[in-house]
Amino acid sequence: DTEVTQTPKHLVMGMTNKKSLKCEQHMGHRAMYWYKQKAKKPPELMFVYSYEKLSINESVPSRFSPECPNSSLLNLHLHALQPEDSALYLCASSQSGLVRTGELFFGEGSRLTVL
Amino acid sequence: KNEVEQSPQNLTAQEGEFITINCSYSVGISALHWLQQHPGGGIVSLFMLSSGKKKHGRLIATINIQEKHSSLHITASHPRDSAVYICASGSGSARQLTFGSGTQLTVLP
Repeated sequence: DTEVTQTPKHLVMGMTNKKSLKCEQHMGHRAMYWYKQKAKKPPELMFVYSYEKLSINESVPSRFSPECPNSSLLNLHLHALQPEDSALYLCASSQSGLVRTGELFFGEGSRLTVL
Repeated sequence: KNEVEQSPQNLTAQEGEFITINCSYSVGISALHWLQQHPGGGIVSLFMLSSGKKKHGRLIATINIQEKHSSLHITASHPRDSAVYICASGSGSARQLTFGSGTQLTVLP
């Protein structure tokens, strides 16, 4: 199994809603990532979990809250988002958390629209 | 600070043509990634290389460490190759990948 599975594929939410994005991999990878991608732009790193611990937070607003319940699962909890947070949210995993050695496996993304 | 530049930004080709996408980076790296993104979002890792050349089917990736340059070649291009191709570099001291801005490839039948 070389897949990273993200749910939901599409999400529409209001600014007062609370929702979550989910990511799952069963490749035994020890590093998992959340990226945000706006249209026609490259992905921007948000968070990195390495061995289930948060290792990188790229100064992401607290309305985004990551969670790694176990080595296969990564969640992104969303609360009080703004319309400018509308984007494609991509999850990725790699065997190691080292950029010099870790081939990334990406999910299909969750397209978020904030009204 | 590592900077990654890709060229061209947009490329239109006829089916069957040989395609080259270029990527230059500014600091020494440990690995260079080539990624493919189809409309709708999902990203696929095509290659990760740190030296020489790799081939997978009709795709070939090369890297010249001295010149800080990598190329992605597609032989016998097909409309299904239409996608955005992104290069990203990782250096030993960096905490994350540095992405290029992507090349939008359109292959016409």
